[in-house]
Amino acid sequence: ETGVTQTPRHLVMGMTNKKSLKCEQHLGHNAMYWYKQSAKKPLELMFVYSLEERVENNSVPSRFSPECPNSSHLFLHLHTLQPEDSALYLCASSQGRRDEQFFGPGTRLTVL
Amino acid sequence: AQSVTQPDIHITVSEGASLELRCNYSYGATPYLFWYVQSPGQGLQLLLKYFSGDTLVQGIKGFEAEFKRSQSSFNLRKPSVHWSDAAEYFCAGQILTGGGNKLTFGTGTQLKVEL
Repeated sequence: ETGVTQTPRHLVMGMTNKKSLKCEQHLGHNAMYWYKQSAKKPLELMFVYSLEERVENNSVPSRFSPECPNSSHLFLHLHTLQPEDSALYLCASSQGRRDEQFFGPGTRLTVL
Repeated sequence: AQSVTQPDIHITVSEGASLELRCNYSYGATPYLFWYVQSPGQGLQLLLKYFSGDTLVQGIKGFEAEFKRSQSSFNLRKPSVHWSDAAEYFCAGQILTGGGNKLTFGTGTQLKVEL
């Protein structure tokens, strides 16, 4: 595997389900990010992890819970989501504060 | 507040024609600037970036962008568009935050290429 990978690519869940999104970066980077991409809205930064420590949380509802067990892996745990949470969730990573971010292909989430 | 604006939601060009996608930024200082491209069902791929120095930046796939401080703009150009360039294009500005960096994206410009 190369670059940034995300699994699953598609996910359909009910509002009472609990699921997790997984992101893995194979680039040796030390910062990882979760973004939400909704139709007709700019990409929204959700969380930033640097050296496995959360350094930013952009007022994201508590039904989204990130986890970064090591510098290569990032999870987004989901529970009791709402239909408006349906979106493409993108993971990215970067090496250092000034370098560009590399994006994964995203997980298309549909909440019924 | 920092913002990036892409005034054009949709643009249609003929294959072989030139292309210019507009991007304006609003930051307290000159941010780092990026252009990304997203094909359907895919993540974002970096086309080019501007940090400092030469205001004309060359990127991949024959794209270039010019930073104009006086106009707060960072427009993307390509002299001759190919059908495979049809995609959505995002301009982004970056500020440093904590141990990472924070990208602020525009709303994107959907490019359609007519054969």
